[in-house]
Amino acid sequence: EVVMTQSPVSLSVSPGESATLSCRASQGISDNLAWYQQKPGQAPRLLIYGASTRATGVPPRFSGSGSGTEFTLTINSLQSEDFGFYYCQQYNNWPPVTFGPGTEVDMK
Amino acid sequence: QVGLVESGGGVVQPGGSLRLSCEGSGFTFSIFGMNWVRQIPGKGLEWVAFIRYDGTIKYYADSVRGRFTISRDNSKNTLDLQMNSLRPEDTGRYYCASHRRSLAPGFSYYYYYMDVWGKGTTVTVSS
Repeated sequence: EVVMTQSPVSLSVSPGESATLSCRASQGISDNLAWYQQKPGQAPRLLIYGASTRATGVPPRFSGSGSGTEFTLTINSLQSEDFGFYYCQQYNNWPPVTFGPGTEVDMK
Repeated sequence: QVGLVESGGGVVQPGGSLRLSCEGSGFTFSIFGMNWVRQIPGKGLEWVAFIRYDGTIKYYADSVRGRFTISRDNSKNTLDLQMNSLRPEDTGRYYCASHRRSLAPGFSYYYYYMDVWGKGTTVTVSS
């Protein structure tokens, strides 16, 4: 099973600043990685797939990069609606599909 | 409008059973694989089960294999999860989510992802 880890656990950011979230896989997963955003009381929302392709309707301030075992999600010029939890997910060596434990982005 | 709606959650005693359902609308449900994903209160996401678009392939997480059964009825655009021998650790919010794939540009392999999610239904296993 591919174990996903994320850092930091939480991140405090002021609106307008940038945030960089990291995700690591326990073994190489090529670029078969997705990022999801989840706000309290809501379902997850797909942001990025294929490590760097934005899903339909996702603003360009969200960008993903990485391959193999190391991945990054960058959020530029954070807006108030961007605060919440972010999860990475690997779909390369499945089953099982595995998620990272998440990073909480909150307002400083 | 594209959407998924779950139902069937509730409170059940340990050892009991529950059947969750998910209805799709606004997209061609019958050509996509589907997943169940759960979230323990205050915790992260855990994949539970997958079913191929035609129902011929099913995968389960180790934590539920032998107790849960995923199924679908493409004539009704519905996905089900039969949960037996429920345990307190099965408590959580259960989401159905689509299984999508896109061909990686310039390559012969696919990217997979879950791009449509329902709002979830809550399962509580407690005596």
